[in-house]
Amino acid sequence: EPEVTQTPSHQVTQMGQEVILRCVPISNHLYFYWYRQILGQKVEFLVSFYNNEISEKSEIFDDQFSVERPDGSNFTLKIRSTKLEDSAMYFCASTPFGPSQYFGPGTRLTVL
Amino acid sequence: SQELEQSPQSLIVQEGKNLTINCTSSKTLYGLYWYKQKYGEGLIFLMMLQKGGEEKSHEKITAKLDEKKQQSSLHITASQPSHAGIYLCGADIGRLTGGGNKLTFGTGTQLKVEL
Repeated sequence: EPEVTQTPSHQVTQMGQEVILRCVPISNHLYFYWYRQILGQKVEFLVSFYNNEISEKSEIFDDQFSVERPDGSNFTLKIRSTKLEDSAMYFCASTPFGPSQYFGPGTRLTVL
Repeated sequence: SQELEQSPQSLIVQEGKNLTINCTSSKTLYGLYWYKQKYGEGLIFLMMLQKGGEEKSHEKITAKLDEKKQQSSLHITASQPSHAGIYLCGADIGRLTGGGNKLTFGTGTQLKVEL
């Protein structure tokens, strides 16, 4: 069964550094999402992406964040200058034309 | 107040007992998703419900959607240690149809199953 994949599984970075989290959505899906979960807290929506543009973003998704689908298969989340409070599990999800959402295994980001 | 409330927040049951977890929305539900998560790990999709009155089962887990009450319940029959984890409900409460809506998540219910 097709799966959403994410790399790396764990990323450690220094505060102020840029990080890029990578996702490969399921191939025939059209809608892509990033969510995050601070340890012990609820899963929060960051951004949705459709037809090569952002369709919705949350208040968390400020100017430090950006998303890109560079090559038709990968979907990336970039954080330009990481802060301690960006430490979280970041989940990518994709959806076919329909309401189901399939989540990747997550990337644990640790900002030191 | 939260858009999506889960209850209880935590639950300890003895192996073999039945249990129910509830998820209540303050807005109209266009879809309700149940996931299971181990602490610090990924989300495992359990079931999706869309229509009022819909009920789905997988092994010993049954989920129902009561659209009028904007509520869903997850029922586990004869619980086992393998059922332990965090159960999350995620709701599509957007106005868009045909896909592309974000999910709003509840705070989760932590389930422990004692031998």
